[in-house]
Amino acid sequence: KAGVTQTPRYLIKTRGQQVTLSCSPISGHRSVSWYQQTPGQGLQFLFEYFSETQRNKGNFPGRFSGRQFSNSRSEMNVSTLELGDSALYLCASSLVASGATDTQYFGPGTRLTVL
Amino acid sequence: AQRVTQPEKLLSVFKGAPVELKCNYSYSGSPELFWYVQYSRQRLQLLLRHISRESIKGFTADLNKGETSFHLKKPFAQEEDSAMYYCALSDTGGFKTIFGAGTRLFVKA
Repeated sequence: KAGVTQTPRYLIKTRGQQVTLSCSPISGHRSVSWYQQTPGQGLQFLFEYFSETQRNKGNFPGRFSGRQFSNSRSEMNVSTLELGDSALYLCASSLVASGATDTQYFGPGTRLTVL
Repeated sequence: AQRVTQPEKLLSVFKGAPVELKCNYSYSGSPELFWYVQYSRQRLQLLLRHISRESIKGFTADLNKGETSFHLKKPFAQEEDSAMYYCALSDTGGFKTIFGAGTRLFVKA
């Protein structure tokens, strides 16, 4: 099976712009989670989607949003970019949830740099 | 509040020495606990989960509910164990995973 793919792999944006990142889960996986990874804060949970519904959300401002399509592909959007949004954004997919009996498989990440 | 604490940012041991990566958690309920590993230039991947009570690559982790800890141990470290290790906690429904800040393990020859 092909692994989780994320596009683009690298992005450079300027403050105030918006950005959309894409994640294609492993075939058959219906749960997609997004994380922000920074050297200072580590991995922080953004949100989780299942069957096009957001089931949980982390403590991020409303500028961060996401959605999931019927084919389980997911996008996340960050509007009005700030310098502090520079990070590696990771996507992970699992069959139904990231809990005890299910395994999250991570993508390579999208490196976002905000200038 | 849900929290995962890994007190050591960096742990350096010699090859063949025992290694213990510490993890403490805060969660009101019965959490599911995991260790993830990221080797150089590779993706983050699951190492083990507490519910399986398994040993992966010689690593084991015991959940101690009294001390709210889930330390990762290996009796004899190998150079190929050098990596970034993350302790993580999932809520009961599995809809949210909280990660610790990570510990970089460096195994010296």
